[in-house]
Amino acid sequence: QSVLTQPPSASGTPGQRVTISCSGSTSNFGSSLVNWYQQLPGTAPKLLIYSNNQRPSGVPDRFSGSKSGPSASLAISGLQSEDEGEYHCAAWDDSVNGWVFGGGTKLTVL
Amino acid sequence: EVQLVESGGGLVQFGGSLRLSCAASGFSISPSWMHWVRQAPGKGLVWVSRSHNDVSTTNYADSVRGRFTISRDDATNTLYLQMNSLRAEDTAVYYCAYTMSFPFDFWGQGILVTVSS
Repeated sequence: QSVLTQPPSASGTPGQRVTISCSGSTSNFGSSLVNWYQQLPGTAPKLLIYSNNQRPSGVPDRFSGSKSGPSASLAISGLQSEDEGEYHCAAWDDSVNGWVFGGGTKLTVL
Repeated sequence: EVQLVESGGGLVQFGGSLRLSCAASGFSISPSWMHWVRQAPGKGLVWVSRSHNDVSTTNYADSVRGRFTISRDDATNTLYLQMNSLRAEDTAVYYCAYTMSFPFDFWGQGILVTVSS
């Protein structure tokens, strides 16, 4: 059971816009920033979004993040087949004094 | 170029021990937050531990505290995870990760640890 809650799966067709949600509690989302990681099949995770809505250099602007209260979202517009993989949210949690992740959302491009 | 290469994984019996290593190159681990994160087969990511030399801080997830120990050798630029009293639920791919500018902005390729009878 993960501390942050994500839907187990999401899907879309090429060109569509897809959103993935991540919900937390006051001990993590109350004061912490949310980060998103993309894990393509058979590879290590890669930082996709940091500080709720910032993209590292090299990440396409098709990827965007937002956070409001106890919920955060990752949006992917202009969906491409190479976006298929797993997406994980993460935040620092003051109550466990450690990092917590969501259970991951498997994105399928139909 | 930043690189993290894990080693030391494999098959170990219930209650056994294993030490993972993470060899870093392209940067110095000394002033950095270094982490271990694991992923059980078909499951999500789980943070295990972190270490920072300058602030002399180590933290652990509740599930491993008292059994796992994170350490580092700045001279060889290597991070370690000593894992004792291993359980079936410790079976996972273990990733070494580094916070340079943003949380977990670099990851190793991962190493599989299987705990079995």
